[in-house]
Amino acid sequence: EVQLVESGGGLIQPGGSLRLSCAASGFTVSSNYMSWVRQAPGKGLEWVSVIYSGGSTYYADSVKGRFTISRDNSKNTLYLQMNSLRAEDTAVYYCARWGRIVGAFDIWGQGTMVTVSS
Amino acid sequence: EIVLTQSPGTLSLSPGERATLSCRASQSVSSSYLAWYQQKPGQAPRLLIYGASSRATGIPDRFSGSGSGTDFTLTISRLEPEDFAVYYCQQYGSSSFTFGPGTKVDIK
Repeated sequence: EVQLVESGGGLIQPGGSLRLSCAASGFTVSSNYMSWVRQAPGKGLEWVSVIYSGGSTYYADSVKGRFTISRDNSKNTLYLQMNSLRAEDTAVYYCARWGRIVGAFDIWGQGTMVTVSS
Repeated sequence: EIVLTQSPGTLSLSPGERATLSCRASQSVSSSYLAWYQQKPGQAPRLLIYGASSRATGIPDRFSGSGSGTDFTLTISRLEPEDFAVYYCQQYGSSSFTFGPGTKVDIK
């Protein structure tokens, strides 16, 4: 079965760091474009970052310089390292596969909640 | 950065009625990379429409998408009880992805 399972969310103080993981099954992370998308409580979807199959990475301006997307091919897992966290980073973080055949996010994880608060 | 605007913000309809949701882009978008998603409370988004008009696997044919350039539309021909949800449009271009603010379809 094709699926994504996120983990690593939790409560963190402003200025702190957290690493999210997204374990994939049924397909190979490194052969796909993989993204993180977040959703603040009661708000809409916001794209955060993408890593292409070739390894290039891109970020939303709101997280550039603070977040780093990466992957571990041996574990078939996607990561999001989040540093210098702010209250406005509080959100459910979803990992998603960009299906290159369909040109859209075709597989989504269930999400992991990150709360930045003192 | 391309900005997507969705209207209306909320659409109040009854089961069996037709829903027409609009997505407008601040500049021209490739139809190949315009998608629609459905999200229900507490759930992850689900892909409905890709390439502006193609239904994703398992999506009923009461959902249809159309449009090009800067104006796109999602139509639900006859609302079923399970269709009451929030709908987002999304575009991809220049290594950036953008979502619209969403349209909530609720029960009248």
